[in-house]
Amino acid sequence: DVKVTQSSRYLVKRTGEKVFLECVQDMDHENMFWYRQDPGLGLRLIYFSYDVKMKEKGDIPEGYSVSREKKERFSLILESASTNQTSMYLCASGGGLGQGTFYEQYFGPGTRLTVT
Amino acid sequence: AQTVTQSQPEMSVQEAETVTLSCTYDTSENNYYLFWYKQPPSRQMILVIRQEAYKQQNATENRFSVNFQKAAKSFSLKISDSQLGDTAMYFCAFMTVNTGNQFYFGTGTSLTVIP
Repeated sequence: DVKVTQSSRYLVKRTGEKVFLECVQDMDHENMFWYRQDPGLGLRLIYFSYDVKMKEKGDIPEGYSVSREKKERFSLILESASTNQTSMYLCASGGGLGQGTFYEQYFGPGTRLTVT
Repeated sequence: AQTVTQSQPEMSVQEAETVTLSCTYDTSENNYYLFWYKQPPSRQMILVIRQEAYKQQNATENRFSVNFQKAAKSFSLKISDSQLGDTAMYFCAFMTVNTGNQFYFGTGTSLTVIP
């Protein structure tokens, strides 16, 4: 079974702090994604990566950055946390073209971040 | 622009009954995939069912089936013999290969199965 893990289930940070959220997948997937989930808004894509050291902006990249130094690990960074970044953050991974998959994404358990 | 619309924010169904969740999408692409995901309360999001757009036959997975109407850009999920464990948020999503496997999600439908 595919396993996607996230470093924390719950996190409380103060305004202005630098926050790191880490995601690890064990299926050698090429693609990894960071989403933000808010009630009534569904899942919104922050950043995604289709290869090591590659990154692409999603729909709401402002205030976030990412890092992918190894294939299995994709980190989301909040450079200076703000209260409007209080949310549930979901990481996902999925196979790329040529990996013989149906492209579905596999999700981690989520990190509920509260910024006070 | 790629968009996904789930027009039913909340639904409920009696245990053992059948319920249909609606989803419409908009894309100019021809090669895409459609998915329904389930997110139980405080639990991980999991894939329920997927449909390749080039396939005319509707996908089924046990009690879950879809009604895929490509011309109408509609992709509804039918849950038969509803069980208490089906209580969850359901998200419709689609992905076009030409956009780097990026998924587009709807806003979700919260389904409650009533005993």
